[in-house]
Amino acid sequence: GAGVSQTPSNKVTEKGKYVELRCDPISGHTALYWYRQSLGQGPEFLIYFQGTGAADDSGLPNDRFFAVRPEGSVSTLKIQRTERGDSAVYLCASSVRSKIPGQGSPGANVLTFGAGSRLTVL
Amino acid sequence: QKEVEQNSGPLSVPEGAIASLNCTYSDRGSQSFFWYRQYSGKSPELIMFIYSNGDKEDGRFTAQLNKASQYVSLLIRDSQPSDSATYLCAWGSGNQFYFGTGTSLTVIP
Repeated sequence: GAGVSQTPSNKVTEKGKYVELRCDPISGHTALYWYRQSLGQGPEFLIYFQGTGAADDSGLPNDRFFAVRPEGSVSTLKIQRTERGDSAVYLCASSVRSKIPGQGSPGANVLTFGAGSRLTVL
Repeated sequence: QKEVEQNSGPLSVPEGAIASLNCTYSDRGSQSFFWYRQYSGKSPELIMFIYSNGDKEDGRFTAQLNKASQYVSLLIRDSQPSDSATYLCAWGSGNQFYFGTGTSLTVIP
């Protein structure tokens, strides 16, 4: 698509429930990132995909969080047993990138963000 | 620890003035630096990026990078009310991008 698309835009759930957040990146972008942004904070890295594989999941806060990208395009972030502290805006970003930022074309390392999915856990 | 420090502000400038935003980073291995603008309730959008020491200008925006001192700044000339937003600096290293907490800018008409 023309931009990064995220659904749902808003999700309200109860503590303990399971949620899925979907991201459809820009067509042709091989790299996909998930970030979490709390009020007044900058985006916090969660996980990064290069193609179908999770190249770096070191930002996932615990094992309740999981993400997949089975066909190298759309990604789903899954949160089990949600807690009130999970409430935040979940941002997805995609880019066409070289393996190491800053090498090759810097322009290839630019993140384009989706509009985000606002998750509220009651 | 890979950190990005920003003056969280808020910063207020009158319309037409120069707004100066600053950011320091901890990792000397950082290679690419980015400034994003985020309007309230919206997602971050890229303003510009810089990877070489010195200045890079794009319209009313100038990014300045000093790798020896580990800081990057953004100057906004002829500030407009539409520039009122939170400005996030970020740097890239390895396969991650690290973001600061953002600086809130208000341009007063």
